[in-house]
Amino acid sequence: GENVEQHPSTLSVQEGDSAVIKCTYSDSASNYFPWYKQELGKRPQLIIDIRSNVGEKKDQRIAVTLNKTAKHFSLHITETQPEDSAVYFCASAGGTSYGKLTFGQGTILTVHP
Amino acid sequence: SQTIHQWPATLVQPVGSPLSLECTVEGTSNPNLYWYRQAAGRGLQLLFYSVGIGQISSEVPQNLSASRPQDRQFILSSKKLLLSDSGFYLCAWRSWGTDTQYFGPGTRLTVL
Repeated sequence: GENVEQHPSTLSVQEGDSAVIKCTYSDSASNYFPWYKQELGKRPQLIIDIRSNVGEKKDQRIAVTLNKTAKHFSLHITETQPEDSAVYFCASAGGTSYGKLTFGQGTILTVHP
Repeated sequence: SQTIHQWPATLVQPVGSPLSLECTVEGTSNPNLYWYRQAAGRGLQLLFYSVGIGQISSEVPQNLSASRPQDRQFILSSKKLLLSDSGFYLCAWRSWGTDTQYFGPGTRLTVL
């Protein structure tokens, strides 16, 4: 089955810096890659996603890039703010998976004021 | 608009007791439904998914089971809880033909 590896497991940045989280996947049939943000004790919330026919997608301070050949995708957050502090999860789905998501292990992002 | 509900929000149960968690979705028809479990400090693990009433697919062999008695109702059950069943249980839904999964508020289960 699909395997998703996520790095780093923790990331600490100063307010205003950029943060990058990387994920690799194993199934070349995967075609959908969402990123979720989870605050302590809350449900995961979708922040951005990308399909395999697109190489990059941006939404204000957040961007995702996808390299299908290398089977990896990354989340980029610019001008980080303290409220960006949370756990971020990447995931993949596709092929005949009925939308089943395989998640990475998560990255704890801490933005220091 | 669509909303997803889960109950109870928190639950403390003794080892060996039964379990029933419920998830309902409003404002959509024939959704794909999913149960995930999140252990403390870990990622999300898919437990079951359903593409229609009475159709359940299991991803992880364990002492849990799922049922979908109605189009927008998804139930997670166990006859006898284990300590290792503790975690944050999340229900999610997705419309046919779309990719995005939306998560419910979750149930935090502690087995003592």
